[in-house]
Amino acid sequence: NAGVMQNPRHLVRRRGQEARLRCSPMKGHSHVYWYRQLPEEGLKFMVYLQKENIIDESGMPKERFSAEFPKEGPSILRIQQVVRGDSAAYFCASSPRLAGGTNTGELFFGEGSRLTVL
Amino acid sequence: SQQGEEDPQALSIQEGENATMNCSYKTSINNLQWYRQNSGRGLVHLILIRSNEREKHSGRLRVTLDTSKKSSSLLITASRAADTASYFCATGIQGAQKLVFGQGTRLTINP
Repeated sequence: NAGVMQNPRHLVRRRGQEARLRCSPMKGHSHVYWYRQLPEEGLKFMVYLQKENIIDESGMPKERFSAEFPKEGPSILRIQQVVRGDSAAYFCASSPRLAGGTNTGELFFGEGSRLTVL
Repeated sequence: SQQGEEDPQALSIQEGENATMNCSYKTSINNLQWYRQNSGRGLVHLILIRSNEREKHSGRLRVTLDTSKKSSSLLITASRAADTASYFCATGIQGAQKLVFGQGTRLTINP
C-alpha cells in the first residue's frame, strides 16, 4: 500500500507565477489535510477536504490560495501570483477518518513539497 | 498563540540517556498525538493518547496526559543516535475537525 504521494518534491517559482502542488492520499483514505511549515517551525493547518468538498479552510489565506479534492485524481493546492513569503514546505496528510475527532486515528504524511519563490 | 507548545524548544543529550519533552495546550481536546520529523522529511505518527487516558506506552516511548493541567509529556528511554529528530505534539480539539500542531522540540542525541 503506497503512502501519501506528493509532487513535486521541490518547486522553484518566480514572483507572480503560479504554483500547483499535488497530493495523492493513501488508498482508502477520503480525508485530506494540507499543512504549511516554515523553516524551524511547526506545521500550520491550512485546509481540510473530503472528496469534492472543502470542509475547513480556516487556515488558508483568502486570496491567491485555493484547494480542491476532485472525485477522480489527486488533491491540488494552488497558489496564484506567488510572493517570497510563500516559500515554505507544504505537507499533505491523509486519514481514513476524521482526524481530531472522538473516534480519530493518526494522520499519514507525505514527504512534502518545498516551494522556493525567487 | 499556539494551541500546543512544546518545551524545551531544543534538547541535546548523550546516547543512552532518557529524553523528556513536554507539551501544553489551551482548549479541551479529544486526543493528543505525538509525531516525529527527521530533517527534510514528512512527519511520522508515534503514539496517540485519548482524553480519558493518563498514560500510554509503545516500545521505548511513554506518553502521559494530564487534562487538568492541559499538558502532556513524551519520554524516550535509552536514547539512540537515530532518535535525533524534531518531535511535535498535535491536539485534536473538541469541536474542530483537524489536528493542531505545536512548534516542536528539536532533539539531538550525541554518540
